[in-house]
Amino acid sequence: EAGVAQSPRYKIIEKRQSVAFWCNPISGHATLYWYQQILGQGPKLLIQFQNNGVVDDSQLPKDRFSAERLKGVDSTLKIQPAKLEDSAVYLCASQPGAYGYGYTFGSGTRLTVV
Amino acid sequence: AQSVTQLDSQVPVFEEAPVELRCNYSSSVSVYLFWYVQYPNQGLQLLLKYLSGSTLVKGINGFEAEFNKSQTSFHLRKPSVHISDTAEYFCAVSALNQGAQKLVFGQGTRLTINP
Repeated sequence: EAGVAQSPRYKIIEKRQSVAFWCNPISGHATLYWYQQILGQGPKLLIQFQNNGVVDDSQLPKDRFSAERLKGVDSTLKIQPAKLEDSAVYLCASQPGAYGYGYTFGSGTRLTVV
Repeated sequence: AQSVTQLDSQVPVFEEAPVELRCNYSSSVSVYLFWYVQYPNQGLQLLLKYLSGSTLVKGINGFEAEFNKSQTSFHLRKPSVHISDTAEYFCAVSALNQGAQKLVFGQGTRLTINP
């Protein structure tokens, strides 16, 4: 089966600009996650979708980050305006249902804010 | 809430030597436990998982881990490492009582294999 697709792979922007990342999960996977991985740290959950509904966005900085999952398939994560501390790898992951045991991760988008 | 501590940020070993990467967790409820590997510029790949049953879990690439409930540990081991095992390794936990499975990761351990 095809894996989790993410684009772009790399993005460099200036602070205060906006940026968007795209994720296409494995076909049929109901649950989708966005994680932020800052250099030297483990991934941290930003938002979790079940189909097209938000399950957990408690750690999403809502003043600048937003995410949506249209029709319960693809998802987009947006940052506006970006700050230097947003430099990180943004990982998307999916699993078949709410009780899948271990996600499938995409390759991530590496964001550099200068 | 759950937390994960990986006790070593970096572990250098020689090729064909054994290795142990240490992981301790904290949780007020029962948990599932995972080890992921991340190769440079790639996403995370599941190495192995403990859900229930035998406390010794075998995974891919010759890795295994042992769940120790009394010590709240889930250390990863491999009896003989190869150059290709050079990567970042992450321990993660998920609480059983959560309706949707949120993973909490440790800080990672960078495993470097020297020839």
